[in-house]
Amino acid sequence: SQKIEQNSEALNIQEGKTATLTCNYTNYSPAYLQWYRQDPGRGPVFLLLIRENEKEKRKERLKVTFDTTLKQSLFHITASQPADSATYLCARPGGSYIPTFGRGTSLIVHP
Amino acid sequence: KAGVTQTPRYLIKTRGQQVTLSCSPISGHRSVSWYQQTPGQGLQFLFEYFSETQRNKGNFPGRFSGRQFSNSRSEMNVSTLELGDSALYLCASSLESSGEYNEQFFGPGTRLTVL
Repeated sequence: SQKIEQNSEALNIQEGKTATLTCNYTNYSPAYLQWYRQDPGRGPVFLLLIRENEKEKRKERLKVTFDTTLKQSLFHITASQPADSATYLCARPGGSYIPTFGRGTSLIVHP
Repeated sequence: KAGVTQTPRYLIKTRGQQVTLSCSPISGHRSVSWYQQTPGQGLQFLFEYFSETQRNKGNFPGRFSGRQFSNSRSEMNVSTLELGDSALYLCASSLESSGEYNEQFFGPGTRLTVL
């Protein structure tokens, strides 16, 4: 079955460092991937969309890469801050397909 | 502009009962999608409505149903509740169909507990 997999273990990093989260997909080739942020008790908030031919996309301190050979997307937060602590979700958007989300990776940034 | 609103925010029901959840999308948004989020399964797509028509459907039993009204507001219904239906139910709206180009805006969710 088609899956999006994210590291279920929480990522703990020190303030100011770069956080890198991984999203792997299996059994299909999405043309797009999205990244969302979710805080406890709240709905996800859209951050970035990357197309398969873009390889890399940036927005302020955020950077997303898309490697179709490895079937992987990496999500980077540079100069991380405690306020960046949240769960980050990777998703294959809908359209012709059923939207599929990874289970998310919890990021904890320590001051 | 007001965000996506969902009512009620919290709900407690018993097995066998039915429940109706409501979602009001952002003004001007015509697509509404529903998701179920649980610790074990993560965020799973239920269905999407666009202009009062169901456009896409996830792999959930027929006990889960929905509809959309002419003002784009949407409701989802779960009949014959089971313990496993306890979850956070999220609604998301977007301008057009929730395709690859469209950012989805999520509501705060309805926390359903089935006893």
